[in-house]
Amino acid sequence: AQSVTQLGSHVSVSEGALVLLRCNYSSSVPPYLFWYVQYPNQGLQLLLKYTSAATLVKGINGFEAEFKKSETSFHLTKPSAHMSDAAEYFCAVSNQAGTALIFGKGTTLSVSS
Amino acid sequence: DVKVTQSSRYLVKRTGEKVFLECVQDMDHENMFWYRQDPGLGLRLIYFSYDVKMKEKGDIPEGYSVSREKKERFSLILESASTNQTSMYLCASSFSGGITDTQYFGPGTRLTVL
Repeated sequence: AQSVTQLGSHVSVSEGALVLLRCNYSSSVPPYLFWYVQYPNQGLQLLLKYTSAATLVKGINGFEAEFKKSETSFHLTKPSAHMSDAAEYFCAVSNQAGTALIFGKGTTLSVSS
Repeated sequence: DVKVTQSSRYLVKRTGEKVFLECVQDMDHENMFWYRQDPGLGLRLIYFSYDVKMKEKGDIPEGYSVSREKKERFSLILESASTNQTSMYLCASSFSGGITDTQYFGPGTRLTVL
């Protein structure tokens, strides 16, 4: 069965600093992985997704993630944090049937000036 | 742009009431989903539907039912609301249910059961 684990329920960075949000997956088949962002009082929005075409995936708002099979990881990064990046971030993996997403518990990113 | 709308942003109900949460998508998507979001637990799938009148249980279907009479509309029903159903409810839709399909989410309904 597929699962994802997000390390760190809360990450704090300063504006301009590197953002690194960690996600590790468990899957018996090649995984399809997603990062979603949820701004306060809003629904989830897709940041990026890995579909096996390329291991480095670029998303919206300057975020990117690298699929590393050897480490079973799909960490999300952004070189320079902005105040507007403060939100909750969810890593997810598609289940084998492609009928649903299995979400991690989320990481709240705080950005201070 | 895909738009997924939910009938209420905030809802307050009393224990034992029957509660309907409505979700509408405007992109002719085949698949629709209901999730529940709780702090520290992430999103958990309640039910999904891959076609009109078709439904499948997710991870936590107990205490809930769903209805999909039209392709664009997917309703979540709490037959007899209980306080442990106080939560944020998120609806989502996707095109065909392919394993790489993006799910598009509505803004959520924050339900409080007193």
